[in-house]
Amino acid sequence: QQQVKQSPQSLIVQKGGISIINCAYENTAFDYFPWYQQFPGKGPALLIAIRPDVSEKKEGRFTISFNKSAKQFSLHIMDSQPGDSATYFCAAKRGNYGQNFVFGPGTRLSVLP
Amino acid sequence: EAEVAQSPRYKITEKSQAVAFWCDPISGHATLYWYRQILGQGPELLVQFQDESVVDDSQLPKDRFSAERLKGVDSTLKIQPAELGDSAMYLCASSSPGTDDYNEQFFGPGTRLTVL
Repeated sequence: QQQVKQSPQSLIVQKGGISIINCAYENTAFDYFPWYQQFPGKGPALLIAIRPDVSEKKEGRFTISFNKSAKQFSLHIMDSQPGDSATYFCAAKRGNYGQNFVFGPGTRLSVLP
Repeated sequence: EAEVAQSPRYKITEKSQAVAFWCDPISGHATLYWYRQILGQGPELLVQFQDESVVDDSQLPKDRFSAERLKGVDSTLKIQPAELGDSAMYLCASSSPGTDDYNEQFFGPGTRLTVL
């Protein structure tokens, strides 16, 4: 119940295309859903996050869509750029305690020039 | 811009040796986390500190791993003895109480451990 599933494992997109990464969870107690971006040799960095009381959040080219009934959420990257090439992790968190902060396995995105 | 500092960045050790990693969180951040990230997987929490106190170490293999944050600032994670399966990236993160419960975690660059 603590798992967060993520797909696809890897994704190749042409420059200017839309990148879509999907995540699903089981624990309905999760109440915060962040996405992290990680470049090689670096730690993850928060990209965008959403709470379950909204269905969509947009920041620039990045949008989270959230479906509470299906327990699914996704990251959309519009106008994908080569600089977006990185590994993306979805995560889910409940409260302030780390035991309830779980990451998905990650999606390696490659944006071709 | 304030960052979480970690050292060393890379560590190669032999099986059964002891290793230690150091983390200096962003100044003023009361909460500190140690994560282990196996290649190709997401980070997994090992231990969480609030100031100098451990609030969650349920996933820490306590027979060989230890962590401390004596003065509530920087922290050390130790492995003794190291095993082949400990090869991974060890990430430190810190956060500060905000206006709600959704405290953003800031990650350091990590220590890449290779056990031979």
